[in-house]
Amino acid sequence: DAGVTQSPTHLIKTRGQQVTLRCSPKSGHDTVSWYQQALGQGPQFIFQYYEEEERQRGNFPDRFSGHQFPNYSSELNVNALLLGDSALYLCASSWARSGYNEQFFGPGTRLTVL
Amino acid sequence: AQSVTQLDSQVPVFEEAPVELRCNYSSSVSVYLFWYVQYPNQGLQLLLKYLSGSTLVESINGFEAEFNKSQTSFHLRKPSVHISDTAEYFCAVWIGGADGLTFGKGTHLIIQP
Repeated sequence: DAGVTQSPTHLIKTRGQQVTLRCSPKSGHDTVSWYQQALGQGPQFIFQYYEEEERQRGNFPDRFSGHQFPNYSSELNVNALLLGDSALYLCASSWARSGYNEQFFGPGTRLTVL
Repeated sequence: AQSVTQLDSQVPVFEEAPVELRCNYSSSVSVYLFWYVQYPNQGLQLLLKYLSGSTLVESINGFEAEFNKSQTSFHLRKPSVHISDTAEYFCAVWIGGADGLTFGKGTHLIIQP
């Protein structure tokens, strides 16, 4: 049973560019959450997707957007990249009916903005 | 809003010694509590969780954590650490109705031979 997978593993972009990160949830999961983990910090919640719609959103600007597909996989898009967007981006999946939001994390995508 | 405090950014300890990683949370409502471990260049792995019931929860690799409601704490302990326990440990809380987990800043556990 494959766990949560993310692609690409690493990415280097320059300021002002746009980036798309991808996530496939664990088998049986229907909900995907995205987190940003800056160096030396804990993960910060960006948003969550369920039934192809964005639910709650953390304190992130509209430059961060996402999408969920019918097969439950998800994309995170970041526009107009800033140096401060350099971080490890983590995807987590869960099952909406679990009731306690136990989230399983992928290995992350390391984004470097130059 | 809820918050999580991990007071120790680094905890050095000798191999086979006991260790405690501290976690305090702030919330006006009931919470579910989690400890995650992150090995170098990897994602987060769930170590253990408190949902309800017994306040002492254990993991399969010897860690345990105790939920203390009066002190709003969920400290992680292990009676004897191994070099392979070297990692970053994150405490997280979730409140019903929220979508995301709220994480602490993490504690780097450094095992010295």
